[in-house]
Amino acid sequence: GNSVTQMEGPVTLSEEAFLTINCTYTATGYPSLFWYVQYPGEGLQLLLKATKADDKGSNKGFEATYRKETTSFHLEKGSVQVSDSAVYFCALSDQGNFNKFYFGSGTKLNVKP
Amino acid sequence: DAGITQSPRHKVTETGTPVTLRCHQTENHRYMYWYRQDPGHGLRLIHYSYGVKDTDKGEVSDGYSVSRSKTEDFLLTLESATSSQTSVYFCAISESGSGDIQTQYFGPGTRLLVL
Repeated sequence: GNSVTQMEGPVTLSEEAFLTINCTYTATGYPSLFWYVQYPGEGLQLLLKATKADDKGSNKGFEATYRKETTSFHLEKGSVQVSDSAVYFCALSDQGNFNKFYFGSGTKLNVKP
Repeated sequence: DAGITQSPRHKVTETGTPVTLRCHQTENHRYMYWYRQDPGHGLRLIHYSYGVKDTDKGEVSDGYSVSRSKTEDFLLTLESATSSQTSVYFCAISESGSGDIQTQYFGPGTRLLVL
């Protein structure tokens, strides 16, 4: 079946530190992969996505590469800011099944000044 | 931002009462979804719709029903609310097809407290 596993948080970093949030997946087909971000009291916002193996998604300094050989889609950012404090969700889509998504449990990031 | 609204945004109700949450979209997307978000569980799919009057169950559908009489509206009903249904509920929409259009877009959420 389909599932997503991401590292548990919270992750606490100082401003300008390097960020990695690990995400691995299990899928029956060839899913697209996504990272969403959720700020307090808000819904999920798409951060970046990749639709096939070796694609790199990027946005706002965040990057993630679709690695089929390791079934991973790790989120990275070279220098985090206080404003990046949020909860990050990794997800995969099952496009052949009404585009249902499968989400990881979320990783809370706290960035301290 | 995708045009998705949810109402109400906050609700407090008592055990045993029926509750209906509404999701409204202005994007004319085919697929709509209801999720619940609870600490440690991420988002779990309750029900989804793949067209007007076409709905199906997700992984946590017990105690919930849905209806979609128009493309733009997807209603979630708790027939008899229980304290275990205290949660934050999110609606999402997406287009059908493959590639870039697979993205799901989320509404702002409804916080429901069942006393």
